[in-house]
Amino acid sequence: EDQVTQSPEALRLQEGESSSLNCSYTVSGLRGLFWYRQDPGKGPEFLFTLYSAGEEKEKERLKATLTKKESFLHITAPKPEDSATYLCAVYRAAGNKLTFGGGTRVLVKP
Amino acid sequence: GAVVSQHPSRVICKSGTSVKIECRSLDFQATTMFWYRQFPKQSLMLMATSNEGSKATYEQGVEKDKFLINHASLTLSTLTVTSAHPEDSSFYICSARDFGQGALGYTFGSGTRLTVV
Repeated sequence: EDQVTQSPEALRLQEGESSSLNCSYTVSGLRGLFWYRQDPGKGPEFLFTLYSAGEEKEKERLKATLTKKESFLHITAPKPEDSATYLCAVYRAAGNKLTFGGGTRVLVKP
Repeated sequence: GAVVSQHPSRVICKSGTSVKIECRSLDFQATTMFWYRQFPKQSLMLMATSNEGSKATYEQGVEKDKFLINHASLTLSTLTVTSAHPEDSSFYICSARDFGQGALGYTFGSGTRLTVV
């Protein structure tokens, strides 16, 4: 059975204090790993898709990386508007569905 | 980009009544849509996969008779919570795949906050 574990559950940062979020996964036949941002009371907003180990993608202050066992979401010099819950999810060849991790709630204080 | 519209955003209903939630793909055709449930400070749990023109596929532990799914067209799926009870209060989110974009990515609706009183 697919398993996706995110850590930490919650992260409090000062503005400008860079940090990394972890997403470790156990899945056979990984086709893609997704990162989403979710604001309170909203649906998830797509950030990145990573397809193979060694791949990296960047968007503004966010950078996602992927290995064979885990993915990291690096937040560089975060701003208060980066406060949100960050979700990772895996997609494998069979099943046609995403399996989500528990999420990391990030709070960036000014 | 692909847009998924979900309605209503909030609904309050009395215990024992039924509530219908709509999920529409606005600029693409979605043969497959997904319904998730999210409790406070928890992640998304897949409830069912909605297939256009056929029966939905429910995840283990999800009551088919309580959560009725209809996917009558390529742009609309509905979730009806029947005989709702306070424990059904949750945040419901739909998602759709735009196969036309050739990506594995999914687009999510903005969610529906259901409160059963």
